[in-house]
Amino acid sequence: QKEVEQDPGPLSVPEGAIVSLNCTYSNSAFQYFMWYRQYSRKGPELLMYTYSSGNKEDGRFTAQVDKSSKYISLFIRDSQPSDSATYLCAILYNTDKLIFGTGTRLQVFP
Amino acid sequence: DAGVIQSPRHEVTEMGQEVTLRCKPISGHNSLFWYRQTMMRGLELLIYFNNNVPIDDSGMPEDRFSAKMPNASFSTLKIQPSEPRDSAVYFCASSPALATNTGELFFGEGSRLTVL
Repeated sequence: QKEVEQDPGPLSVPEGAIVSLNCTYSNSAFQYFMWYRQYSRKGPELLMYTYSSGNKEDGRFTAQVDKSSKYISLFIRDSQPSDSATYLCAILYNTDKLIFGTGTRLQVFP
Repeated sequence: DAGVIQSPRHEVTEMGQEVTLRCKPISGHNSLFWYRQTMMRGLELLIYFNNNVPIDDSGMPEDRFSAKMPNASFSTLKIQPSEPRDSAVYFCASSPALATNTGELFFGEGSRLTVL
């Protein structure tokens, strides 16, 4: 089993929709969870970071961690065409290694 | 700050040739990472350095791959000899001191390698 699993998509939604992106992970000891956003032909950039369980909100974005089910989610409210990108979940392992999911490609059409 | 700088941005080469990818991390960052990205396998960590010292190279696919960091402002990833299955986008990333790392890596724009 891979350490982090993510549905590759693609996911296509109309502008204004609520988007839900998800990952599962295998090791219950993981504590630090991140979401990166990658635009086409660019490097990934950190979008949100959460520690342990719970929710974290930043504008239209909400990151959620459910440690009991080893499930992490990213919600995007009022999605915009500019949100079209690949979203990668990541887990910080042993304080020095980031393990990434394969990424979910999102397209928001006007 | 100019960010992480990688070169070349694109490289097309023939099987068997040597490929050298270069990276200049953000000034003051202690850690440097090399990742490879493909559609099938996503982002894979190849090797990372802390204070110019290789810490973990368990992700390096095989002996054809080598990486060096001769000083705090420069690193190379070399593939010799290259094979078609090495075709991928190679990313370099840097981050501040590991002790305070919250998981934020600063990525370059990548080097897209095609081996024919």
